[in-house]
Amino acid sequence: GQNIDQPTEMTATEGAIVQINCTYQTSGFNGLFWYQQHAGEAPTFLSYNVLDGLEEKGRFSSFLSRSKGYSYLLLKELQMKDSASYLCAVRPDTGFQKLVFGTGTRLLVSP
Amino acid sequence: ETGVTQSPTHLIKTRGQQVTLRCSSQSGHNTVSWYQQALGQGPQFIFQYYREEENGRGNFPPRFSGLQFPNYSSELNVNALELDDSALYLCASSATPTGYTEAFFGQGTRLTVV
Repeated sequence: GQNIDQPTEMTATEGAIVQINCTYQTSGFNGLFWYQQHAGEAPTFLSYNVLDGLEEKGRFSSFLSRSKGYSYLLLKELQMKDSASYLCAVRPDTGFQKLVFGTGTRLLVSP
Repeated sequence: ETGVTQSPTHLIKTRGQQVTLRCSSQSGHNTVSWYQQALGQGPQFIFQYYREEENGRGNFPPRFSGLQFPNYSSELNVNALELDDSALYLCASSATPTGYTEAFFGQGTRLTVV
């Protein structure tokens, strides 16, 4: 089976650092994605990890450990506009580009 | 480089009706996938199209069907609409049908079935 787990909601303060965790169990693995989604809008691509380790893109970093079935998204210098849902998605080994999503983590950034 | 575009942005249909949603893939991308996202949930994979054929499908009934055209654009058709079909429908495009590549989403079509 396929299962993606991430916290439902997190809160943080403007300027702080927050880490959103994601654990997964899938049949095969062809990469892990993080997307940002503001309410009522489409998901926006943030990062893609296929090998173990840390990928850094400006204020956002994503980490992957395939042996542990674990990833995290790190957001630094939080801004109010970072208030959104963050979706963790895994591409299992299906032979096509299917993504399996978690239910998302709603992040609330307060002043 | 153009991104993924979908039309229409919003749609209201009556139970039992049929609907067609459209998607233009990102420039250079030949693979299109469709997802359904219910309120408060993550997107659920419906199917994928490559070279004008469906080459992967999720757990959706046959009344969900699609097409892909030679220019890689795609349609999602839903027949016999049910109230539970109310959701945000997302189209994602990729550069290849398999392997390690990124997937980019369109802005979505919000379908309401009444």
